Amino acid sequence: NAGVTQTPKFRILKIGQSMTLQCAQDMNHNYMYWYRQDPGMGLKLIYYSVGAGITDKGEVPNGYNVSRSTTEDFPLRLELAAPSQTSVYFCASSYGTKSGEKLFFGSGTQLSVL
Amino acid sequence: GENVEQHPSTLSVQEGDSAVIKCTYSDSASNYFPWYKQELGKRPQLIIDIRSNVGEKKDQRIAVTLNKTAKHFSLHITETQPEDSAVYFCAAIKEYGGATNKLIFGTGTLLAVQP
Repeated sequence: NAGVTQTPKFRILKIGQSMTLQCAQDMNHNYMYWYRQDPGMGLKLIYYSVGAGITDKGEVPNGYNVSRSTTEDFPLRLELAAPSQTSVYFCASSYGTKSGEKLFFGSGTQLSVL
Repeated sequence: GENVEQHPSTLSVQEGDSAVIKCTYSDSASNYFPWYKQELGKRPQLIIDIRSNVGEKKDQRIAVTLNKTAKHFSLHITETQPEDSAVYFCAAIKEYGGATNKLIFGTGTLLAVQP
C-alpha cells in the first residue's frame, strides 16, 4: 500500500491564481481530511469527508473547496489564492469508527502565495 | 466548538530527563485523545492515544494520563533521548451525532532533548 499520497510537494502561486491539491489513499478509508499548518503553529482542519459524496467544513474553510466523488480521492481546490493561504497542507485519512481512529497523513504540500 | 490548548509551546530537557506536555479541552463530549509526533520536515505520526474510559496508558517510555473531571490530559516521556526531539501535538475528537469525526489539534510543543 502507498498509504496517503499528496501532490504536488511544493508549489508557488501568484495572488489570484487557482490550483488543486491532490490527495489519494489506497487503504479503503472512509474518512478523509485536509489540514493546514502555518509556521510554528498547529494543525487547523479545513474540510473533511466521511464518505464519497459527503463533505463538511472544518475550522478554517474560507477560500477553499473540496469534493469527494470516490472513496480514494479528496482534492482541495484553492480559488483566487491569497498570501494568507501560504502554508503546509496535509491530507489525512482514517477508517473513521465511532470512537475515533488513527490518522494517516500524507507527506504534505508546501504552498507559497506571492 | 471544541478548543484544545497545549502547554508549553517549547520544552528543552537534558538527555535522560523526563518531559511532560499538558493539554486541556473544552468539550466534555470528547472521548478520544491521541498524541502525534512530527519530526522536522516530516508528516505527523500517532505515538499513543487514550480513550475516556481509562485514566492512564503506557507504551515503553511514553505514557498518557487523562483527567476527565478537569478536562485535561498529559504526555509523559521518560529517559528522553535525542531522537525524541520533535513537535508533539495533542488532539481531541468531538463527535457529531455519531456520524463524523473532527480531530481538533492543540498548537504543538517543540521538544528539544540536549545530549
